[in-house]
Amino acid sequence: EIVLTQSPGTLSLSPGERATLSCRASQSVSSSYLAWYQQKPGQAPRLLIYGASSRATGIPDRFSGSGSGTDFTLTISRLEPEDFAVYYCQQFGSSQLTFGGGTKVEIK
Amino acid sequence: QVQLQESGPGLVKPSQTLSFTCTVSGGSISSGGYFWSWIRQHPGKGLEWIGYIHYSGGADYNPSLKSRVTISVDTSKNQFSLKLRSVTAADTAVYYCARGNYVFDYWGQGTLVSVSS
Repeated sequence: EIVLTQSPGTLSLSPGERATLSCRASQSVSSSYLAWYQQKPGQAPRLLIYGASSRATGIPDRFSGSGSGTDFTLTISRLEPEDFAVYYCQQFGSSQLTFGGGTKVEIK
Repeated sequence: QVQLQESGPGLVKPSQTLSFTCTVSGGSISSGGYFWSWIRQHPGKGLEWIGYIHYSGGADYNPSLKSRVTISVDTSKNQFSLKLRSVTAADTAVYYCARGNYVFDYWGQGTLVSVSS
């Protein structure tokens, strides 16, 4: 099983600041199968990024994804009030699918 | 706009079978070659993939749950279902249905199931 480790666990930032979230895999992941989700309290996750760097439909361009192999990054260029949430990375490979433990982006 | 809606009990007794149905609206479950998945989230924790199914019936499961899980599809009702057998308190979670097998673009709102006597 590929383990995804997200860091930091919590990111305390102010609106307007840049957020950089990391997702590290225990073994190489195909970029085609790396996704990022946003989840707010009481809501289902929302797809932000798929294929490591492609934005899902309707996702603002302040969200961007990058990376390859075992290291992937989600960047939020300028935090808006609605961006404070928990973010999960997810991979699919060898018929197994795993999620990272999440990074909470909270208001400083 | 595709919408997914889970239905099922909120409380299940230990050792029983948890059963959920996901009804898909706004599109046919058998079009587009999509897979349909179940994912759960333990209270205050992260996400765990349970398994997925194709409208043709082909399915795959999380190895850690495979011995207890069956996912099925009913194209006539535009639904797919989850059965999880021999549940314990560790199966208490919010259960989501979603579209996709390696990326999930549409999700149900989720239903909390508690396992308790």
